[in-house]
Amino acid sequence: EDQVTQSPEALRLQEGESSSLNCSYTVSGLRGLFWYRQDPGKGPEFLFTLYSAGEEKEKERLKATLTKKESFLHITAPKPEDSATYLCALTNFGNEKLTFGTGTRLTIIP
Amino acid sequence: DAGVTQSPTHLIKTRGQQVTLRCSPKSGHDTVSWYQQALGQGPQFIFQYYEEEERQRGNFPDRFSGHQFPNYSSELNVNALLLGDSALYLCASSLSNSFWGGLAGELFFGEGSRLTVL
Repeated sequence: EDQVTQSPEALRLQEGESSSLNCSYTVSGLRGLFWYRQDPGKGPEFLFTLYSAGEEKEKERLKATLTKKESFLHITAPKPEDSATYLCALTNFGNEKLTFGTGTRLTIIP
Repeated sequence: DAGVTQSPTHLIKTRGQQVTLRCSPKSGHDTVSWYQQALGQGPQFIFQYYEEEERQRGNFPDRFSGHQFPNYSSELNVNALLLGDSALYLCASSLSNSFWGGLAGELFFGEGSRLTVL
């Protein structure tokens, strides 16, 4: 069965302090690896899709990378508005659903 | 361009009651998926509807049922509510070929319906 594990569960950073969030996974035939941002009481907001090992995507202060076993979400010089829960999810071939991890709750302190 | 809209945003029910949640997909999307998110957890897949039929179902009991209408909007029904059904119910829309056609493949989520069962 597909499995997604995210670490750490929670992370507190000072504004401007760069770090990385980890998503390790097991899947039978990866179709896509997704990153979402979720603010409290809101639905997840799409950030990136990665399809194959070695692929990287960037958006503002965020960069997502993918290996055969892990994905990382790197955040560079974060700002308080980057505070949110970041969810990792995947889908495999022949499947219509996303399997989510439990998320990393990121807090950026001014 | 209206995104995914869900109603109601909050509701409180008692054990044994029934609830209906509604979803209108993003303009141009024809596929609707429903997810349940318990507090502190990631979303769990309930089922997906396409062309008014259930295309895939997750590990949820038959108390959870759904429907998709010709205009692509959808309903989620939960019968015989249990305390453990308390959660944020998320609707997500996509294009039917998103997962296979080499597109971004992302799901667009609504704000959710927060269900509390007492």
